[in-house]
Amino acid sequence: KAGVTQTPRYLIKTRGQQVTLSCSPISGHRSVSWYQQTPGQGLQFLFEYFSETQRNKGNFPGRFSGRQFSNSRSEMNVSTLELGDSALYLCASSEGGLGSPLHFGNGTRLTVT
Amino acid sequence: DQQVKQNSPSLSVQEGRISILNCDYTNSMFDYFLWYKKYPAEGPTFLISISSIKDKNEDGRFTVFLNKSAKHLSLHIVPSQPGDSAVYFCAASAKSGGSNYKLTFGKGTLLTVNP
Repeated sequence: KAGVTQTPRYLIKTRGQQVTLSCSPISGHRSVSWYQQTPGQGLQFLFEYFSETQRNKGNFPGRFSGRQFSNSRSEMNVSTLELGDSALYLCASSEGGLGSPLHFGNGTRLTVT
Repeated sequence: DQQVKQNSPSLSVQEGRISILNCDYTNSMFDYFLWYKKYPAEGPTFLISISSIKDKNEDGRFTVFLNKSAKHLSLHIVPSQPGDSAVYFCAASAKSGGSNYKLTFGKGTLLTVNP
């Protein structure tokens, strides 16, 4: 099976702009989660979607939003970008049941200038 | 407040010896624990997990031990191989919204296995 695919791999944006990141989960996986990785804070949970519904949410401002489509593909949007949003954004998918591990993509490296 | 702590930023071992990576947690609601390995420029790769109803889980060279009373878990790699050199993350979760995918990660331990 193909792994989790994230596009684009790298992105450079300017403060105040918005950005959309895309994630294609492993075939058959219905749960998609998003994480932010920064050197200072490490890996932090953003949100999780299952069957097009947000099932869990982390402690990020409303500028961070996401959605999931009927084919389980997911997008994450960040509006009004700030310098501190520069990070590696990781998407992970899972079958969705308790105890099923998350499988991560290679991430999108976002740089805000 | 860091709920999952990996107090050793780095660890160096000789090839063939045992690597022991440690992790402590503070949230008693955590009931599912995982270890991930991460190479530079790649996403974390799932290694092994353990539920709170167990105290040990083994998969090949990897064994995870859970001590609930001490809120401590460890990952043992035996024997260690140079290809195991990577950053290892401990993660924990509690059931929420019908899932356990809201993982809280430690800051990671860089393991170097010397030939």
